[in-house]
Amino acid sequence: SQKIEQNSEALNIQEGKTATLTCNYTNYSPAYLQWYRQDPGRGPVFLLLIRENEKEKRKERLKVTFDTTLKQSLFHITASQPADSATYLCALATSGTYKYIFGTGTRLKVLA
Amino acid sequence: DAGVTQSPTHLIKTRGQQVTLRCSPKSGHDTVSWYQQALGQGPQFIFQYYEEEERQRGNFPDRFSGHQFPNYSSELNVNALLLGDSALYLCASSLTFVGPYEQYFGPGTRLTVT
Repeated sequence: SQKIEQNSEALNIQEGKTATLTCNYTNYSPAYLQWYRQDPGRGPVFLLLIRENEKEKRKERLKVTFDTTLKQSLFHITASQPADSATYLCALATSGTYKYIFGTGTRLKVLA
Repeated sequence: DAGVTQSPTHLIKTRGQQVTLRCSPKSGHDTVSWYQQALGQGPQFIFQYYEEEERQRGNFPDRFSGHQFPNYSSELNVNALLLGDSALYLCASSLTFVGPYEQYFGPGTRLTVT
């Protein structure tokens, strides 16, 4: 069955370091992959979209990679700040569909 | 520019009852998707509305139904509530024309079924 896996354990890193979050998927051929940030009790906030034919996307301190061979996306936050502490969700969709499938999210905590 | 709004914020219902949740999309958006998010889980796609029609549906029973109005706002209806329906219900709006879309989520409605 289709599965999206994100590290369920919280990731703690020191301020200023680069945080790297992983999204792995199986039995799925996504055409689009998105990353969202979610704070407690709030709705997810869109961060980045990457297509299957793109290897890397950047936006300010954020970088996403998409490896369709490894079936994996990596999400990097450089020069991390305590304000980056949140849960980060990846979401995938296949071509021709409007349905995004979300992972369970990884909680990131940036320590001052 | 108002973002996505949802009402009510919180709701407590009893098993077997029916509930209606409401969503107003971001200005200029024509597509509304509904998601259910259980505690500690990612959002699960319920269905999407475009041009007042259900365009795609996730793996949810017929107890879950919806509607989109000419002004693009939307309702989610859940009949015969079960304890397992307790969750955060999220509405997301987008613009179909731009293709693989950014979704703008509302703050959600926290539904508790007792």
